[in-house]
Amino acid sequence: AQRVTQPEKLLSVFKGAPVELKCNYSYSGSPELFWYVQYSRQRLQLLLRHISRESIKGFTADLNKGETSFHLKKPFAQEEDSAMYYCASSGSARQLTFGSGTQLTVLP
Amino acid sequence: NAGVTQTPKFQVLKTGQSMTLQCAQDMNHEYMSWYRQDPGMGLRLIHYSVGAGITDQGEVPNGYNVSRSTTEDFPLRLLSAAPSQTSVYFCASRIIGDDEQYFGPGTRLTVT
Repeated sequence: AQRVTQPEKLLSVFKGAPVELKCNYSYSGSPELFWYVQYSRQRLQLLLRHISRESIKGFTADLNKGETSFHLKKPFAQEEDSAMYYCASSGSARQLTFGSGTQLTVLP
Repeated sequence: NAGVTQTPKFQVLKTGQSMTLQCAQDMNHEYMSWYRQDPGMGLRLIHYSVGAGITDQGEVPNGYNVSRSTTEDFPLRLLSAAPSQTSVYFCASRIIGDDEQYFGPGTRLTVT
């Protein structure tokens, strides 16, 4: 079975500091990995997916198959980045499995 | 497009009551699903459907029923509400073959 682990429930950084949200997955095949974000009182929305290799809102994530990780990074955090972030993977059954989420707070 | 819509936004039930959470999408997506969101547990899949007339169980299906009579609608029924079903429920849809899911705004359910 797929498993997605986000070890940090809460993460606080100061504005302008780098931020890294950790995500590890367990899947024997070649999963697709995603980061979803939920801003306060808004619905979940896709932030980025590894196959597109895009940078969205300054965030990037690199798939490391050796470490089975898909950490989300941003070099300079902004206050508007404060939100709940979910890592998710999609395996052979194309079902999304979500991690438990990391609440990011960017302090002024 | 309205995207994925859910009603109601909030609901309070007494233990043992039944109700239906409504979900609709206007994007002609074949795949629809229901998740529950609980603190520290992320989103867990309850039921899903790959098209009208086809439904299947997810990770946590007990206590919930679904049906899919049309492409647009995918209601979730709680047969006999229990306090353990207090949660935020999200409906989502996507095109089969694309893993990006589009989520509804959620329904916050409290069972007392």
